[in-house]
Amino acid sequence: QLQLQESGPGLVKPSETLSLTCTVSGGSISNSNYYWGWIRQPPGKGLEWIGSIFYRGGSNHNPSLKSRVTISVDTSKNQFSLKLSSMTATDTAAYYCARHWGLGGDGNWFDPWGQGTLVTVSS
Amino acid sequence: QSVLTQPPSVSAAPGQKVTISCSGSTFNIGYNYVSWYQQLPGTAPKLLIYENNKRPSGIPDRFSGSKSGTSATLGITGLQTGDEADYYCGTWDSSLSASVFGGGTKLTVL
Repeated sequence: QLQLQESGPGLVKPSETLSLTCTVSGGSISNSNYYWGWIRQPPGKGLEWIGSIFYRGGSNHNPSLKSRVTISVDTSKNQFSLKLSSMTATDTAAYYCARHWGLGGDGNWFDPWGQGTLVTVSS
Repeated sequence: QSVLTQPPSVSAAPGQKVTISCSGSTFNIGYNYVSWYQQLPGTAPKLLIYENNKRPSGIPDRFSGSKSGTSATLGITGLQTGDEADYYCGTWDSSLSASVFGGGTKLTVL
C-alpha cells in the first residue's frame, strides 16, 4: 500500500531555512486524483496545514505562513519537498507529509500520513 | 485559536458511546466536507472519516460521522481502552483558502 516517509534535519538554527523531503512508495506521485501535503504539529498542540502541491507543480499554501513556504515536486524521484524560511522557535514541531485528497471544496482529507519528523529550532 | 472548535476533552466508560463535536462557520463546515482523524499517543494522525460520514477501508463501523449546518460530530460506540487518543476534525475554509483543523479532543476511556 502507499507509504510516505519524511526526511530532513532534526535541528535547525534560528533564521535558517528548513528543508524536508517526503518520499512516496507503493504508488506514483504522478496521479491526477490528489495533491500531496505538509502538515505540522507543535509539541502538545494541534495540527496546522502548511500547504499542498499537485504533481504538475501547482501548489497552495496556508496564508498564515505567507511567503515563507516553498513546496516542490520531483516526479522522477517520486518525492515532494518543503522549504520553510526564517525559522524561529515557534516553528518547532513534528512535520508530517500526507496524500491530500480533494483540495478545497472537493473533499479535502489527508490519507495516508507519514510517520512524521520532529524539527527543533535552536541555536 | 483554531478556526474549528472542539471540546478539549471527553470521557466515557468502556463499552459506552461518546460523541465529539466540531463547530465552525458557513465559510468552512457550512459549505465543505468534514474529515476526522485519530492520533494515538506518539503516532501520526490516521483518517477515520471523510466526506462527513464515509469510513475508509479498515475503519470499524463503531466510528461514525455526521454534519448539520455549521457543526459536525464524531460518534464512537462500544468504547475500548485502545480508543484513547486525540481526535481532530478538519475541513476547507473558503474564506481563508486553507485547509483547517480543530484544536483536538482528548478521549479518555475510564
